[in-house]
Amino acid sequence: SAVISQKPSRDICQRGTSLTIQCQVDSQVTMMFWYRQQPGQSLTLIATANQGSEATYESGFVIDKFPISRPNLTFSTLTVSNMSPEDSSIYLCSAPTGLSEAFFGQGTRLTVV
Amino acid sequence: SQKIEQNSEALNIQEGKTATLTCNYTNYSPAYLQWYRQDPGRGPVFLLLIRENEKEKRKERLKVTFDTTLKQSLFHITASQPADSATYLCASPYGNNRLAFGKGNQVVVIP
Repeated sequence: SAVISQKPSRDICQRGTSLTIQCQVDSQVTMMFWYRQQPGQSLTLIATANQGSEATYESGFVIDKFPISRPNLTFSTLTVSNMSPEDSSIYLCSAPTGLSEAFFGQGTRLTVV
Repeated sequence: SQKIEQNSEALNIQEGKTATLTCNYTNYSPAYLQWYRQDPGRGPVFLLLIRENEKEKRKERLKVTFDTTLKQSLFHITASQPADSATYLCASPYGNNRLAFGKGNQVVVIP
């Protein structure tokens, strides 16, 4: 199993600013993922955070808007840049353990005003 | 494109009854499906995985089925309790350990 600590748990930000979300895993994991969960919607994958190389982004998400760092096998950050109210959402990091299950952080509830 | 769908309507159920949720997938054949529980303000928590060659999987009061003909998985909570009230998500892999999630079903167990 894995325990994932994510912070901040929530934040209220001004439009045009950026927020960096941190995710720490208590064990080394090969892959980490970042999801967005908009109100009433399911989880949408933003990108795969790759250690030692650039993140791999899903269709509709770009590096300039959501830069990701993965400096080692236990840590990753997601930045939400130049925020607008449409970016208000819950952001979640995740790490899978083989095929059996994915572990998630508790999420960051972001409100952009 | 591949899709995974859950009827996103809330399910209100009397305590002690069985709650049944449905997950449908289209345009692909996943090797397995996963079910997660999500409480308000929390990340999803893994419950069960069922592979395409497994008809049924059980864990305590939970049961999952996988019907590759109907392209459907059913999730059952037997002898439901108020503590089972949560949103339940179906998830399917689509390469490189990525998961696609359904919208989820909110279950409310009424005492």
